[in-house]
Amino acid sequence: DAGVTQSPTHLIKTRGQQVTLRCSPKSGHDTVSWYQQALGQGPQFIFQYYEEEERQRGNFPDRFSGHQFPNYSSELNVNALLLGDSALYLCASSLQGWSFFGQGTRLTVV
Amino acid sequence: EDQVTQSPEALRLQEGESSSLNCSYTVSGLRGLFWYRQDPGKGPEFLFTLYSAGEEKEKERLKATLTKKESFLHITAPKPEDSATYLCAVQARQAAGNKLTFGGGTRVLVKP
Repeated sequence: DAGVTQSPTHLIKTRGQQVTLRCSPKSGHDTVSWYQQALGQGPQFIFQYYEEEERQRGNFPDRFSGHQFPNYSSELNVNALLLGDSALYLCASSLQGWSFFGQGTRLTVV
Repeated sequence: EDQVTQSPEALRLQEGESSSLNCSYTVSGLRGLFWYRQDPGKGPEFLFTLYSAGEEKEKERLKATLTKKESFLHITAPKPEDSATYLCAVQARQAAGNKLTFGGGTRVLVKP
C-alpha cells in the first residue's frame, strides 16, 4: 500500500503566479482533505472533498480552490500567490473518520 | 468555534526522563481526539484516537489519556528517537465531514 502520495515535494513560485498541487489518497479512501502548515505552527484546514464535491471549507480565501477526480485523487489550486502562502501543504485521506497524511509539498513564494 | 491549545510549546528531556504533554480543547461535541507525531519536513504520522472521557491508549513508550476538557500524552523513559513534534487535533461530532482542528504542537527533544 503506497499510502498518501503528494507531488511535487518542493516548489518555488513567484508572487502573483498560480500553483497546482496533487494528491493520491491511500487505497480505498474516498475523502481527501487539504491543510496548510506554516513553519512552527499546527496544520490549518483548507477544505475537504468527498464524492467529487467540496464538503467542508476552512477560513481560506477563494484564491484557494480544489478538485477531486473519480479515482478520488485531488488537486489544490492557489491563484495570485502571496508571500504568506509559503508553507507545507498537506493532503490527508480518510475513511470513516481516520485521517492519514502524505509527506506534504513545501511551497516557497518569492 | 473549535479550539485546541497545546503546552508546553517545547520540551527538552534527558533520555529516560519521563514527562507529559497537555492538550486542552473546546469543541461542539467531541467525535474524536487525535494524536500525531511529526518529524521535520514530513507529514503527521497517526498515533492514537480517543473517543470518550476516561479512555486510554498505549503504544510503546507513549500513553494517551482523555478527560472532558483535555488530553495528556505521557512519554515514559523517552529515547532520542522520540524527538519530534507531537500534534493534538479534535474532530467535532456535528461536522458533516471529518475536519481536524489542530493545536500548535509540542516540540520534544530527547538528549542522550
